[in-house]
Amino acid sequence: EAEVAQSPRYKITEKSQAVAFWCDPISGHATLYWYRQILGQGPELLVQFQDESVVDDSQLPKDRFSAERLKGVDSTLKIQPAELGDSAMYLCASSQRTGGANGYTFGSGTRLTVV
Amino acid sequence: AQSVTQLGSHVSVSEGALVLLRCNYSSSVPPYLFWYVQYPNQGLQLLLKYTSAATLVKGINGFEAEFKKSETSFHLTKPSAHMSDAAEYFCAVMGGNQAGTALIFGKGTTLSVSS
Repeated sequence: EAEVAQSPRYKITEKSQAVAFWCDPISGHATLYWYRQILGQGPELLVQFQDESVVDDSQLPKDRFSAERLKGVDSTLKIQPAELGDSAMYLCASSQRTGGANGYTFGSGTRLTVV
Repeated sequence: AQSVTQLGSHVSVSEGALVLLRCNYSSSVPPYLFWYVQYPNQGLQLLLKYTSAATLVKGINGFEAEFKKSETSFHLTKPSAHMSDAAEYFCAVMGGNQAGTALIFGKGTTLSVSS
């Protein structure tokens, strides 16, 4: 079964450092999502891509977070500088162009700890 | 905008007992609704989804959910709990974001199963 690949699985970084996460969606999935999940809460959407274009980044803290999907395939989410409150699970998901009614597939996530 | 509310942050049942996890939605149009399960430090696994076909939806691992428009509910049930069902469960609705196709999640319900 096709999977969404994410790396690294775990990341520990010091406050004020830069950190980056990588996601490779299922082949052919035009839509890619990044979510942040704080411990004990539901995932919250950060950014949504359609191919290489951002279609929703309204909840992305743009002063420190950035996301790109240059060739419309894999994607990178960056935080600079990291703050203690950024400690969370960062989940990537993908779906077909027609929308999630056909299904969303989530990666295993990256667990970020900021110390 | 579409949203979901999960009633009860923690549900405890005995092995073999009925599992009932509650989810109510808010939507001005017929929603697409989903239930996901998450095990510790893992991504989200789809249990089932409602996309306006049959109102009773059967999913994996013996779970099912019934869409009730009159009650704006999509509760998740399983007739007999198993120890392996202990996990975090999330209800989600499609389309509550700016682009209209992302999943918007509830805060989650932790299911504990005792022997």
